[in-house]
Amino acid sequence: AQSVSQHNHHVILSEAASLELGCNYSYGGTVNLFWYVQYPGQHLQLLLKYFSGDPLVKGIKGFEAEFIKSKFSFNLRKPSVQWSDTAEYFCAVNEAAGNKLTFGGGTRVLVKP
Amino acid sequence: EAQVTQNPRYLITVTGKKLTVTCSQNMNHEYMSWYRQDPGLGLRQIYYSMNVEVTDKGDVPEGYKVSRKEKRNFPLILESPSPNQTSLYFCASKQLAGVLNEQYFGPGTRLTVT
Repeated sequence: AQSVSQHNHHVILSEAASLELGCNYSYGGTVNLFWYVQYPGQHLQLLLKYFSGDPLVKGIKGFEAEFIKSKFSFNLRKPSVQWSDTAEYFCAVNEAAGNKLTFGGGTRVLVKP
Repeated sequence: EAQVTQNPRYLITVTGKKLTVTCSQNMNHEYMSWYRQDPGLGLRQIYYSMNVEVTDKGDVPEGYKVSRKEKRNFPLILESPSPNQTSLYFCASKQLAGVLNEQYFGPGTRLTVT
């Protein structure tokens, strides 16, 4: 069975700092990869996704993620965070031929103004 | 507007009192799914449905039932809720045709069982 690990449970940053959230998955086959964001009191929204092609994926709100197949990783980055990036971030994976999403445990990010 | 809706958004109930959380999508998606979100555990799939009258268990199905009588609706039923089902529940839907599709999530239902 697949599993997804997010290494940091909580991250606290100041505005303008750079953000990197780690995500590793355990599945040897072809996968689709996602990062979702959940702002306080809101539902999950898709930040970005990777299906194939360029392993550096750009998403909304200045986020990007890099798929490193050899490391089974899909880390999320943002060069300069804003207070409005305070949210919980979830990495998710599904097998390329499947539909079931497996989520990581989430990382709560607090950006101090 | 394309969306997934859930009702109610908040529910407090007592142990053993049957309840239903509704989920509806207006995107004509074949695939629908229920998740529960618990701190530190992310989202875990409860049940999913590939189409009308086709449902299957996810990772944590115990204590839950679902039905899919119509394509747009996928209610989650707790026949006898227990306190360990206190959680935040999300419904999601997805188009099956094509491969470059993500799941769309509803706003969530926060359930407390006392």
